[in-house]
Amino acid sequence: DGGITQSPKYLFRKEGQNVTLSCEQNLNHDAMYWYRQDPGQGLRLIYYSQIVNDFQKGDIAEGYSVSREKKESFPLTVTSAQKNPTAFYLCASNGGPSGNTIYFGEGSWLTVV
Amino acid sequence: GQNIDQPTEMTATEGAIVQINCTYQTSGFNGLFWYQQHAGEAPTFLSYNVLDGLEEKGRFSSFLSRSKGYSYLLLKELQMKDSASYLCAVRDPNDYKLSFGAGTTVTVRA
Repeated sequence: DGGITQSPKYLFRKEGQNVTLSCEQNLNHDAMYWYRQDPGQGLRLIYYSQIVNDFQKGDIAEGYSVSREKKESFPLTVTSAQKNPTAFYLCASNGGPSGNTIYFGEGSWLTVV
Repeated sequence: GQNIDQPTEMTATEGAIVQINCTYQTSGFNGLFWYQQHAGEAPTFLSYNVLDGLEEKGRFSSFLSRSKGYSYLLLKELQMKDSASYLCAVRDPNDYKLSFGAGTTVTVRA
């Protein structure tokens, strides 16, 4: 079945460590997105990509990095520069300008220990 | 830029109707989405509007007025399981940027 797979579901990070969250989709979607959600809050856009080898900063990109080397993959790295990374992270994809549905992965919980 | 506003919280009684408003001020517009999210889970799709008017899907309906930068989600015959957060999102036509409002928490009481 088509969909988006995020991994891991739960991740613990030590102070000063970089960690990478995986996001893979088999929907043949051009557009992919990463969002951060803090408890009781809405979704804030970190990075997004319209096409392979291209991506743009969202509203809270500082301390994060991404790559888009393949259409189906859009990994997010939470770097040590992100001082408060504990949150729920969601990956999403959309078929482009006429795409009428945003598909989400199951989400990844990141906790700093 | 994009500015999307929703009420923070709403409470309603089981069996009643609730209307969640979403206003947006964006540099461009190419579609508005409504999603439902239960705590700790990924959002699930409810509706999509790109043209003015009302879209109906069972107990849920969504309305859009592009000239007013306004949408609403109407939930009818409320059930306890409808207690959740409801998210409004707008897509930019220039770069496909998808921005969400802060969400509206709906509590359904017996």
